[in-house]
Amino acid sequence: DTAVSQTPKYLVTQMGNDKSIKCEQNLGHDTMYWYKQDSKKFLKIMFSYNNKELIINETVPNRFSPKSPDKAHLNLHINSLELGDSAVYFCASSQSLAGVQETQYFGPGTRLLVL
Amino acid sequence: AQTVTQSQPEMSVQEAETVTLSCTYDTSESDYYLFWYKQPPSRQMILVIRQEAYKQQNATENRFSVNFQKAAKSFSLKISDSQLGDAAMYFCVSPGSQGNLIFGKGTKLSVKP
Repeated sequence: DTAVSQTPKYLVTQMGNDKSIKCEQNLGHDTMYWYKQDSKKFLKIMFSYNNKELIINETVPNRFSPKSPDKAHLNLHINSLELGDSAVYFCASSQSLAGVQETQYFGPGTRLLVL
Repeated sequence: AQTVTQSQPEMSVQEAETVTLSCTYDTSESDYYLFWYKQPPSRQMILVIRQEAYKQQNATENRFSVNFQKAAKSFSLKISDSQLGDAAMYFCVSPGSQGNLIFGKGTKLSVKP
């Protein structure tokens, strides 16, 4: 059984388009995250949600909008895609927002390529 | 600012040999976990090992072990009896203040047959 799943795994699109990436976890966790991994493999937090409430919103363009319909899902919608948005996006989840004493489990990643 | 430093962008090890990946971190927390994650070419982020900072005993998971020096904020990963499947990017990870994870820039490990 897949613990954290993301769809799609690959996404190729044109500049200016709007796209969404979906994430689902079946671990019963309360907290979910979106990370971005750039071309140099550096990972950085974008957002975190705890029980559907936004907790972290790092310096991310407002073209990125996370949406959490329920505890098990955290989707990422991106408007007006730009070339610089090309990256791998990882969803993750953890039991709670205890943060410093929590293990995060990652999805398989979504490779986004903007042409 | 909370940082994680991996000073070795690339490392190479002969199959069956031992290799150590170094990491230093900075946190203001007192009780926390530290992690090593592995990212093979498949891109999946895989948890390798976890260390609880309040435990003095170094964590061990089969061929993987850590050398955790809390005062020095050092957290190195030792891989014994290296296998071809160990080839991957390894990330040292410490907790952020808001529940997120802070990733190092990674060490790319190659394993030579």
